[in-house]
Amino acid sequence: DIQMTQSPSTLSASVGDRVTITCRASQSISSWLAWYQQKPGKAPKLLIYKASSLESGVPSRFSGSGSGTEFTLTISSLQPDDFATYYCQQYNNWTFGQGTKVEIK
Amino acid sequence: EVQLVESGGGLVQPGGSLRLSCAASGFTFSSYDMHWVRQATGKGLEWVSAIGTAGDTYYPGSVKGRFTISRENAKNSLYLQMNSLRAGDTAVYYCARVKRFWSGPHYYYGMDVWGQGTTVTVSS
Repeated sequence: DIQMTQSPSTLSASVGDRVTITCRASQSISSWLAWYQQKPGKAPKLLIYKASSLESGVPSRFSGSGSGTEFTLTISSLQPDDFATYYCQQYNNWTFGQGTKVEIK
Repeated sequence: EVQLVESGGGLVQPGGSLRLSCAASGFTFSSYDMHWVRQATGKGLEWVSAIGTAGDTYYPGSVKGRFTISRENAKNSLYLQMNSLRAGDTAVYYCARVKRFWSGPHYYYGMDVWGQGTTVTVSS
């Protein structure tokens, strides 16, 4: 099975910071990757599909890149609403990464 | 409004069974692949099962042989039959719709609509 590893597990940042989260796959998954945002007590929200395509309605400060085994989610200027946990997911066997919590510095 | 509403969660003893339901509204249910995803308290997301529009089903090793996903398109409903439950199955269970994005020559996917979740607790 393909394993997904995110780093870091926790990230402390301030409003306005540029934030980058990395997701690595144990084998190549081409661009078969999605990113989600989850806030406490809420269901996840789809941000990015196909590694770099922005879901409709998602702010343009979110961007994704990568292919093969290494992927990144970038928030260009962190906003108060962005403090949350972020997950990558590959859709070969639908495995999620372990999550990255973005917290206030 | 596009919506998914889960029900059927509760407290069950180890070895017991439970059936979760997910009621869909606001979209053509039969046209979408559907999934179940769970999350234990304080933990990450774990994919549990999937069912395609043709009724094909998929499971990870952790639940294969114990869980059964099914759908009833006439009732716009998704189900998860969970048998031989273990303490490790304790979690919030979400149903999710999978949206397909065409980018020739492939489809790409994302879980674009989620329910609010239903809590399953396996304990004696």
